Amino acid sequence: EPEVTQTPSHQVTQMGQEVILRCVPISNHLYFYWYRQILGQKVEFLVSFYNNEISEKSEIFDDQFSVERPDGSNFTLKIRSTKLEDSAMYFCASSSRTVSSYEQYFGPGTRLTVT
Amino acid sequence: AQTVTQSQPEMSVQEAETVTLSCTYDTSESDYYLFWYKQPPSRQMILVIRQEAYKQQNATENRFSVNFQKAAKSFSLKISDSQLGDAAMYFCAYRGRAAGNKLTFGGGTRVLVKP
Repeated sequence: EPEVTQTPSHQVTQMGQEVILRCVPISNHLYFYWYRQILGQKVEFLVSFYNNEISEKSEIFDDQFSVERPDGSNFTLKIRSTKLEDSAMYFCASSSRTVSSYEQYFGPGTRLTVT
Repeated sequence: AQTVTQSQPEMSVQEAETVTLSCTYDTSESDYYLFWYKQPPSRQMILVIRQEAYKQQNATENRFSVNFQKAAKSFSLKISDSQLGDAAMYFCAYRGRAAGNKLTFGGGTRVLVKP
């Protein structure tokens, strides 16, 4: 069964450094998402992406964040200058128009630790 | 904006017994989807069950079933014949009808299963 993959599984970085989280969505999916989950809290929406542009973003997704689909398979989330409060689990998800419920399939997540 | 509320931070159930998790939501939309996701200690997000708002019939998936009350904006999850593997965080989530809509999650309910 096709699945969303994410790399790395765990990233440790120092405050102020740039990080890029990578995702490979399911191949025929058209909609892509990033979500964040701070430890012990709920999952929060960051951004959705369709047709090579952002379709919606949350208040969390400020100028420090950016997304890109650099080729036909990868979908990346960049945090330009990480802060301690960016420490969280970051989930990528994708969905397809061919499934009536447009169900979002989640990757296993990248745990980001900012020190 | 849509909100999702899970009022039970933690629920405990004896193995083989039944537990019901509560979820309420607020929306002005008439057509939408509701989901329950399971998050085990690995933190992977696993879809348990989905409900289309236009369907009156409650969804069931093996030992998992929902009680969807559209007028009351209530969407509870019943886990029957609880197994040790059911121990996890459970998140209720809302999504509007359109293809690329984001998921809005509740705060989660931790389910403990006692042998």
